[in-house]
Amino acid sequence: QQQVKQSPQSLIVQKGGISIINCAYENTAFDYFPWYQQFPGKGPALLIAIRPDVSEKKEGRFTISFNKSAKQFSLHIMDSQPGDSATYFCAASNFGNEKLTFGTGTRLTIIP
Amino acid sequence: DVKVTQSSRYLVKRTGEKVFLECVQDMDHENMFWYRQDPGLGLRLIYFSYDVKMKEKGDIPEGYSVSREKKERFSLILESASTNQTSMYLCASREGGVGGYSGNTIYFGEGSWLTVV
Repeated sequence: QQQVKQSPQSLIVQKGGISIINCAYENTAFDYFPWYQQFPGKGPALLIAIRPDVSEKKEGRFTISFNKSAKQFSLHIMDSQPGDSATYFCAASNFGNEKLTFGTGTRLTIIP
Repeated sequence: DVKVTQSSRYLVKRTGEKVFLECVQDMDHENMFWYRQDPGLGLRLIYFSYDVKMKEKGDIPEGYSVSREKKERFSLILESASTNQTSMYLCASREGGVGGYSGNTIYFGEGSWLTVV
């Protein structure tokens, strides 16, 4: 059972544009929602994370938007750059549970 | 600087062989994890350990076992490798024991690419 559904599977965006990746979850006990970024040949690395007590978190060009009632959260990359080309994973976990459940990943390509 | 080291980056093994994937972290983290990454399936948890000699099954433990004799080292074992275990395996670690703060960052190694022929 896929507890975190991620879309799209792949995304092509022009340089300078906005990249948007969406995730939906089922488990209402989830209370931590990170996004991981993975470059080819590397392991995933934490990019940004949010807790459900806020609806938005921004770090530089990266923003997480969170909609608790809809059980959805999304990653927005403003002014997308070729260096942002990577695979992005959303994830979720809940307090007291050591496991992190990942989405299926989105391969983002930024074209000049 | 945080470091999770997977000693073998690329392995080719034959069906039926016993395979050991080793992982070492230098952050004194209590939690360690083994994930498997496949295209279109994301990262799936195989096993995790919240303390030395302690382990719990993840979502896809069948065909795998683990060993954690020392806090810094977590090994994944394929008792009898099969072709459907061809994949990239990711080791990770995180601060915090059982019931700990779920928001602590998970740090990943660079992955071990395993091909079973």
